[in-house]
Amino acid sequence: AQSVTQPDIHITVSEGASLELRCNYSYGATPYLFWYVQSPGQGLQLLLKYFSGDTLVQGIKGFEAEFKRSQSSFNLRKPSVHWSDAAEYFCAVGAKTSYDKVIFGPGTSLSVIP
Amino acid sequence: EAGVAQSPRYKIIEKRQSVAFWCNPISGHATLYWYQQILGQGPKLLIQFQNNGVVDDSQLPKDRFSAERLKGVDSTLKIQPAKLEDSAVYLCASSLSWRNTGELFFGEGSRLTVL
Repeated sequence: AQSVTQPDIHITVSEGASLELRCNYSYGATPYLFWYVQSPGQGLQLLLKYFSGDTLVQGIKGFEAEFKRSQSSFNLRKPSVHWSDAAEYFCAVGAKTSYDKVIFGPGTSLSVIP
Repeated sequence: EAGVAQSPRYKIIEKRQSVAFWCNPISGHATLYWYQQILGQGPKLLIQFQNNGVVDDSQLPKDRFSAERLKGVDSTLKIQPAKLEDSAVYLCASSLSWRNTGELFFGEGSRLTVL
């Protein structure tokens, strides 16, 4: 069965600073990886996804993530954080089995200091 | 295109009472998911439907939770009787096929408070 860990419960960065959110997964086969963002009181929105091919994927709002198979990681990055990026970020892994199961990590809460 | 609709948005009940949540997925989406999100945690998959059949309910507390998806369209999640630890946001999501589209589409959730 697949699982996801996000080592950082909460991160605080200054506006304009760079950001990296960590994600590690456990899955026996090639994973399908996602990052979702949840703003206060709102639903989950897909930021980006990795299925295959280029291990560096670009997403919306200036985010990118890099898949590193050797480290079982899929870290999310942004070169310059905006105050509006303050939210909860969830890494998720999908399993290509007989059905499409998606498991979410515990989340990392991001605060941005003006 | 209309999104995933959920109701009610908020519900407050006392323990041992029952509650039901409704979800209407995006038209044409064959896969429907119910997730439970406890405050400060990630969404936990409760049950997954493919059309009107259950493909995964391994995390569903079947002694108190039940769900159905009649006719493969909308779905209802029921809790009876509710416990304090059921206080959470219940998220419904749908997908045409995430392997093709790469995305689950989520509703805004139904927030349950059990007193």
